[in-house]
Amino acid sequence: EDKVVQSPLSLVVHEGDTVTLNCSYEVTNFRSLLWYKQEKKAPTFLFMLTSSGIGKKSGRLSSILDKKELFSILNITATQTGDSAVYLCAVVTQGAQKLVFGQGTRLTINP
Amino acid sequence: EAGVAQSPRYKIIEKRQSVAFWCNPISGHATLYWYQQILGQGPKLLIQFQNNGVVDDSQLPKDRFSAERLKGVDSTLKIQPAKLEDSAVYLCASSKTGNPQETQYFGPGTRLLVL
Repeated sequence: EDKVVQSPLSLVVHEGDTVTLNCSYEVTNFRSLLWYKQEKKAPTFLFMLTSSGIGKKSGRLSSILDKKELFSILNITATQTGDSAVYLCAVVTQGAQKLVFGQGTRLTINP
Repeated sequence: EAGVAQSPRYKIIEKRQSVAFWCNPISGHATLYWYQQILGQGPKLLIQFQNNGVVDDSQLPKDRFSAERLKGVDSTLKIQPAKLEDSAVYLCASSKTGNPQETQYFGPGTRLLVL
């Protein structure tokens, strides 16, 4: 069974800190990995990663994929209170037409 | 561009009652997804429609859950009868073609509490 595991489950830091969120996966026929930010209820798309070693960056957020070690990290620098959310990692497999989500990391940024 | 619309936003029912949720995807999106997100967990796909046909309903508890998308646009998800463990947020998402590499856009969700 395909599995996506995120760590930590919960993280509390102060504004301005840098955080790294982890996502590891065990799936058959990996195709791509996606990161979502979930505030309140609706997840919003952040990044899609398909190739090892080629990261994505958007402002203070960046992410990289390691297909050999089967994990990805999401890095947020100079955190702000608006970064408080649940961050979800999901994997798409070849053939399957669906996302398999991890359980999420709840990030809280204190002022 | 209007986003994915869902209603109601909240629903409280007693176990064994029935409930229905509605979703209207982004205009022109062929693929519609219903997810169940239990507190503290990631979303789990219940059913995926491509236009008005079902692509994947392997994780839908068919003894109590049903969904339809008769005209290939909006969709309803029904639970009958509800159980306590159905308490969750039900998220609807849509994408243009259903290619799994494509971004899925999520609605605000319906929070269901079964007492």
